[in-house]
Order: sequence, then C-alpha cells, then structure tokens
Amino acid sequence: DSGVTQTPKHLITATGQRVTLRCSPRSGDLSVYWYQQSLDQGLQFLIQYYNGEERAKGNILERFSAQQFPDLHSELNLSSLELGDSALYFCASAPSSGGVETQYFGPGTRLLVL
Amino acid sequence: AQSVTQLGSHVSVSEGALVLLRCNYSSSVPPYLFWYVQYPNQGLQLLLKYTSAATLVKGINGFEAEFKKSETSFHLTKPSAHMSDAAEYFCDVVRSSASKIIFGSGTRLSIRP
Repeated sequence: DSGVTQTPKHLITATGQRVTLRCSPRSGDLSVYWYQQSLDQGLQFLIQYYNGEERAKGNILERFSAQQFPDLHSELNLSSLELGDSALYFCASAPSSGGVETQYFGPGTRLLVL
Repeated sequence: AQSVTQLGSHVSVSEGALVLLRCNYSSSVPPYLFWYVQYPNQGLQLLLKYTSAATLVKGINGFEAEFKKSETSFHLTKPSAHMSDAAEYFCDVVRSSASKIIFGSGTRLSIRP
C-alpha cells in the first residue's frame, strides 16, 4: 500500500459526459502528479500540482483540467469525453516539487467511455 | 527531443535465469532515470533510480541497473528470476523537472517454471 488513494476505482460513462477523479496523496506529500495509461499511448504524464499550484504540464488535453485543494487532495476533471479517453488514470504523490523525487502511485481509476 | 526506448515489449525467462530488460534514452543532457514495476491491477512502484551519483544503482527485490552514458543506456538486471517478478516494467526519464517526464512503452516480463 503506497498510502495514495484514488476514487472511484472504476467509472463507466458515455461520450460527451464529464467526470471527476479524486486523489488523496500520502500524508505530508505536497506534490500530486496525474498520469494516463492506455493501450495505444502507453503511460503519459499529464500534470503536476505542488502545494495548490500548477507546477508542470505534460500531454494534457484542453478538455482535461486539474486542481489541488488546500487539504492537498487533487481532482482531475475530464470533459466532453471521447471513446479514446478510456484508460487507467493514476495519480502519484511526492514530498516536494522536483520531478526527480520518488513518486508513490495510487491504484488508479479505470475509466471506460462508451 | 527526449525519448525513451524499451527494446522488447515482452521478455520471457526461466525461473532462476538472468533477467535483462533494456532501456535506451536520448537526451541532450544526462537525465535522471527510473525503473518502475507494475503488477497486474496495481499502480507503479519504484524499483530504483539514477540521479547522477553512482552509475550502478541497486534497487528493491534484487534488481539493479547501470547507467552507461556512452551507450545512453540504463538496462535493468536481476541475477536470478523468481516467479514473483512477473510484471510489467517501465523505464522513465526525467529532465530536471516534471514537465519532462517520459515513460518507455513498457516490457512485460514472464517467468517460466
């Protein structure tokens, strides 16, 4: 158990809909990273938040957004969903902001868009 | 541009045999390098990382990797495979900040009894 929790574990929705994925980091970690893992794109870094502020952006679509709240949990919002958004979404947490730190991954949220 | 190549999407070895999973990177400056393991239906777990200290890095579960700048490689090895090593392994390259996190395509390791 990494100490990172993600909810929900599974999500099934329809094209065009909007969903919110939630991540609670390990106690004391200030950074949250979001990743997408799909069969065709592999594992891709989406975005990083550090202590409530956006710190780094990867291959995140404009339809996707994230935020980190004062209690340090983070939410990833996916809107106007397409079939190709079906994937496993992971969050990871780390103590501070550098990308070279050890990241602790949550179990993921499996999203299926029908 | 930075990239990561993992040679072999699937590697199969016998129990007790040497495990060698290959990772090559391209980067204009030496990056930080990581190996992660993903067991079925789980998130990723860090095996080891190279951050410009010793070139031979020892990780968990008996794995180690050697950073070879001249070959731009960071191959993962384990002298003797166990059945419990069956998983997917990802090589990851980071250049100074999280905005440059690049994962390889992954290598699925199977262990034959």
